[in-house]
Amino acid sequence: NAGVTQTPKFRVLKTGQSMTLLCAQDMNHEYMYWYRQDPGMGLRLIHYSVGEGTTAKGEVPDGYNVSRLKKQNFLLGLESAAPSQTSVYFCAVMGLAGGDNEQFFGPGTRLTVL
Amino acid sequence: GNSVTQMEGPVTLSEEAFLTINCTYTATGYPSLFWYVQYPGEGLQLLLKATKADDKGSNKGFEATYRKETTSFHLEKGSVQVSDSAVYFCALSVTPNTGNQFYFGTGTSLTVIP
Repeated sequence: NAGVTQTPKFRVLKTGQSMTLLCAQDMNHEYMYWYRQDPGMGLRLIHYSVGEGTTAKGEVPDGYNVSRLKKQNFLLGLESAAPSQTSVYFCAVMGLAGGDNEQFFGPGTRLTVL
Repeated sequence: GNSVTQMEGPVTLSEEAFLTINCTYTATGYPSLFWYVQYPGEGLQLLLKATKADDKGSNKGFEATYRKETTSFHLEKGSVQVSDSAVYFCALSVTPNTGNQFYFGTGTSLTVIP
């Protein structure tokens, strides 16, 4: 039972390159989230999904796209990476019932854009 | 809107000292409140939660009481250990809430020295 996994763990990109981060879960949860964590800023929500085939924008969506083609996977894409996207990215999942349920987090992806 | 404000860090304490990390919130609707902990190199883990006013969440010697009158959810521990060194995040989730979004504070880094 792996819970929430993220691929890759580390990545270095050059400005303008593209990449996709993968979040996978075996918890069968409906909600999935992508956050970025920056010093002094805490966690900021990029995009989220309330179910397979649905996505919605969070607080800081610009420069990112997402897809949820399968319930267990949530992909975060950077089409043209910028240095401002250097950050640690966390995926989280949560079950359907109620607003006070726990969010379960993956281990994070550290991305550096040069 | 919904937001969380927590005390600035970093906080450095000697082993067995008393810990308080302040957290206050603003919320529309009916918030549930959470403390998450992040150990070095890992994702966030739920430490404790409270879902209604006057509830006390507790876990691993940590406690926090949901105070509606002061809109606060301060984290306390009577005697910290070196193993408590981590970053602590206060968070809230509001009902009703599209996508069950969580709102996180900026985090407070705690270092406990022997």
